[in-house]
Amino acid sequence: GAVVSQHPSRVICKSGTSVKIECRSLDFQATTMFWYRQFPKQSLMLMATSNEGSKATYEQGVEKDKFLINHASLTLSTLTVTSAHPEDSSFYICSASRSSQAEAFFGQGTRLTVV
Amino acid sequence: AQSVTQPDIHITVSEGASLELRCNYSYGATPYLFWYVQSPGQGLQLLLKYFSGDTLVQGIKGFEAEFKRSQSSFNLRKPSVHWSDAAEYFCAVGAGEYGNKLVFGAGTILRVKS
Repeated sequence: GAVVSQHPSRVICKSGTSVKIECRSLDFQATTMFWYRQFPKQSLMLMATSNEGSKATYEQGVEKDKFLINHASLTLSTLTVTSAHPEDSSFYICSASRSSQAEAFFGQGTRLTVV
Repeated sequence: AQSVTQPDIHITVSEGASLELRCNYSYGATPYLFWYVQSPGQGLQLLLKYFSGDTLVQGIKGFEAEFKRSQSSFNLRKPSVHWSDAAEYFCAVGAGEYGNKLVFGAGTILRVKS
């Protein structure tokens, strides 16, 4: 199967600090990774698309300077929430896809709480 | 632009009863369609997917869904619900060049009463 591992699963940070979330494809090469955000009691919204070796493409309304995405290898993408604030508290989940296949496989998600 | 509508925010069914969760999509071509389940505080689990071919798709945990192009629907069904099925269910359509960028519906929360 295709396994995507996301770390950490939960993180609490202080307001103003930065938090890095990792998304790894364990048994396949992921040329494309996606980052989604889910606010409490809401659906999942795509934040950005990350392609290996190139800059991420952000969805409208997502601040690229606040949510830094790096996809430096075919198995790892990272999302860094910079200068986090309580309103950034959310569930962040990644998915990874081989470019030639339609299915993207999801990680377990990261629950971020900013205090 | 692609969109997904799940008209029911909450559904309550009795254990052992049948279930149908509705999903309508908007997409110009043949869509890639998915159903995911999310338990509280957990990630997403893929129940089933439709890419092409047979319009009746079988998934895990006894779920099935039927793609109806004429109705732009992809409703999820289960003949007999178990208490462990209580969760939130998301329908999604695949967008982007390869259909792997997902647009999710708002979700339907399923409650199962004993």
